[in-house]
Amino acid sequence: EPEVTQTPSHQVTQMGQEVILRCVPISNHLYFYWYRQILGQKVEFLVSFYNNEISEKSEIFDDQFSVERPDGSNFTLKIRSTKLEDSAMYFCASSGDSLGSPLHFGNGTRLTVT
Amino acid sequence: AQSVTQPDIHITVSEGASLELRCNYSYGATPYLFWYVQSPGQGLQLLLKYFSGDTLVQGIKGFEAEFKRSQSSFNLRKPSVHWSDAAEYFCAVGAIIRGAGNMLTFGGGTRLMVKP
Repeated sequence: EPEVTQTPSHQVTQMGQEVILRCVPISNHLYFYWYRQILGQKVEFLVSFYNNEISEKSEIFDDQFSVERPDGSNFTLKIRSTKLEDSAMYFCASSGDSLGSPLHFGNGTRLTVT
Repeated sequence: AQSVTQPDIHITVSEGASLELRCNYSYGATPYLFWYVQSPGQGLQLLLKYFSGDTLVQGIKGFEAEFKRSQSSFNLRKPSVHWSDAAEYFCAVGAIIRGAGNMLTFGGGTRLMVKP
């Protein structure tokens, strides 16, 4: 069964550094998402991406965040200047075009900002 | 705005016992409801989904869930739990937004522990 893959599985970075989290969504999916889960808290929506542009974003997704689909397969989340509170598990997901198509999630990238 | 509440943060059951995980939602229209499971170190795996029709839906791994509109609930059940079911379970409500896909709001999760 096709799956969403994320790299790296764990990223440690210093405060103020830029990080790029990478995802390869399922190949025939059209919608792409990033969610995050701070330790002990709920899984929260960050952003959705469709037709090569951001379609929805949450209040969390401020100017420090950006997403890109640089080629036909990868989908990236960039955090320009990381803060301690960005430490979380970041999940990439994708879904198809049919109504209510469920999201398929990757295994996540655990980001630790020191 | 939609919201999801999972009242039980932790549940412990004995292997072979039945299981029910509670989920209550708040949503202004007909909800799209999901249950996901997260094993340690793993991503979120879809167990089952409800869109419309039969209010009792079957999922993978022997799980089922029942949508009760009058109670705004979508509880997850399994008749006989296996040790491998120990994981965290998330209920989610989805809002379909044209051009944005299926936007999920998650509950806080219920951690299931299974006693031998």
